[in-house]
Amino acid sequence: DQQVKQNSPSLSVQEGRISILNCDYTNSMFDYFLWYKKYPAEGPTFLISISSIKDKNEDGRFTVFLNKSAKHLSLHIVPSQPGDSAVYFCAAAPPPNAGNNRKLIWGLGTSLAVNP
Amino acid sequence: NAGVTQTPKFQVLKTGQSMTLQCAQDMNHNSMYWYRQDPGMGLRLIYYSASEGTTDKGEVPNGYNVSRLNKREFSLRLESAAPSQTSVYFCASSDNSGRAGNGELFFGEGSRLTVL
Repeated sequence: DQQVKQNSPSLSVQEGRISILNCDYTNSMFDYFLWYKKYPAEGPTFLISISSIKDKNEDGRFTVFLNKSAKHLSLHIVPSQPGDSAVYFCAAAPPPNAGNNRKLIWGLGTSLAVNP
Repeated sequence: NAGVTQTPKFQVLKTGQSMTLQCAQDMNHNSMYWYRQDPGMGLRLIYYSASEGTTDKGEVPNGYNVSRLNKREFSLRLESAAPSQTSVYFCASSDNSGRAGNGELFFGEGSRLTVL
């Protein structure tokens, strides 16, 4: 059973508009949530994260919102650019006291296409 | 700083052949991971090494073996390759020393393996 779910396999938006990528999780013990971006033929790269004690984290055009009561987070990209076209993975981190078993739990990804 | 380096980037094997994927990181991370990525399946953990001298199975370990050669290097071996192992393989590392942090992983560029 998936603990981290990205229910939209794909999303298409116009350049300049907002992209909203969603992620749901089931385990309330997750400590951090991370977004990764992956271009074809490259490894995933870290984009932004949010601590479970926060409800918003912003970095330039990228903002992540966390709704703990709904066990839901979203990544907003404003304005969207063609270079943002990639697969976006949501991941959740168990708390630091998991120690050596602190493995990220991954969603299946959402493919974003930003059209010029 | 090269980060995480994987070799080879591409490999074609025949069913039954063996091969080893090499991975090295220069960030002094204690944890290393091997993932495979298949269409629609996201990133699936094959094996991980929480620290030098330890290895553990992930979600999809069957058909693979690993060796944590030292703190820098973590190799993945296919003893008898099967077509089902055709995939893109990613090595990653993290500083999972138990300290607080977001659990971020750093990925290599990937190794594309085709088994005929």
